[in-house]
Amino acid sequence: QKEVEQDPGPLSVPEGAIVSLNCTYSNSAFQYFMWYRQYSRKGPELLMYTYSSGNKEDGRFTAQVDKSSKYISLFIRDSQPSDSATYLCAMRDQAGTALIFGKGTTLSVSS
Amino acid sequence: SQTIHQWPATLVQPVGSPLSLECTVEGTSNPNLYWYRQAAGRGLQLLFYSVGIGQISSEVPQNLSASRPQDRQFILSSKKLLLSDSGFYLCAWSEGLYGNQPQHFGDGTRLSIL
Repeated sequence: QKEVEQDPGPLSVPEGAIVSLNCTYSNSAFQYFMWYRQYSRKGPELLMYTYSSGNKEDGRFTAQVDKSSKYISLFIRDSQPSDSATYLCAMRDQAGTALIFGKGTTLSVSS
Repeated sequence: SQTIHQWPATLVQPVGSPLSLECTVEGTSNPNLYWYRQAAGRGLQLLFYSVGIGQISSEVPQNLSASRPQDRQFILSSKKLLLSDSGFYLCAWSEGLYGNQPQHFGDGTRLSIL
């Protein structure tokens, strides 16, 4: 079983839709959870950063962490064509150096 | 604010040639620096990290090496490139080595080996 699983998509939605992106993981020691957005031919850009379980909201983005289920989510409200990108989840434990990434979900928002 | 620069953006090299990719960070002191590789269909993989000048740790055995000659400069090198070295190379920085500091990425170098 891979450490981090993420459905690669592609996921296509109309403008204004609510988008749900998800990752599951196997290592119960992970404590820090991140979502990155990566546009084509660009580096990943940090969107959300959460510690342990719970929710965090930033504008149209909400990150959820459920450590008991080893499951994290990113919700995008009122999706825009500019949200079209690949979304990567990443996580690490307290002692780890490397971020462990999912393979990314490709999202396309049509106007 | 902090910025991270990588160059070149794109590079095409023949098998067996040397490699040097450079990364610099501005707006912070003593950052932790990282080199990742993103291969097609695979997630990002950490190659090297550095907590200070001259201090390099390797995560995976490979044909590449890294150096940190200055506080905010990180270089990825190879003496002889292999076909398997093709990929998207990303440099990242953070303010802390462990856990509670997120990593921020540059825009990468796309390396093609012919």
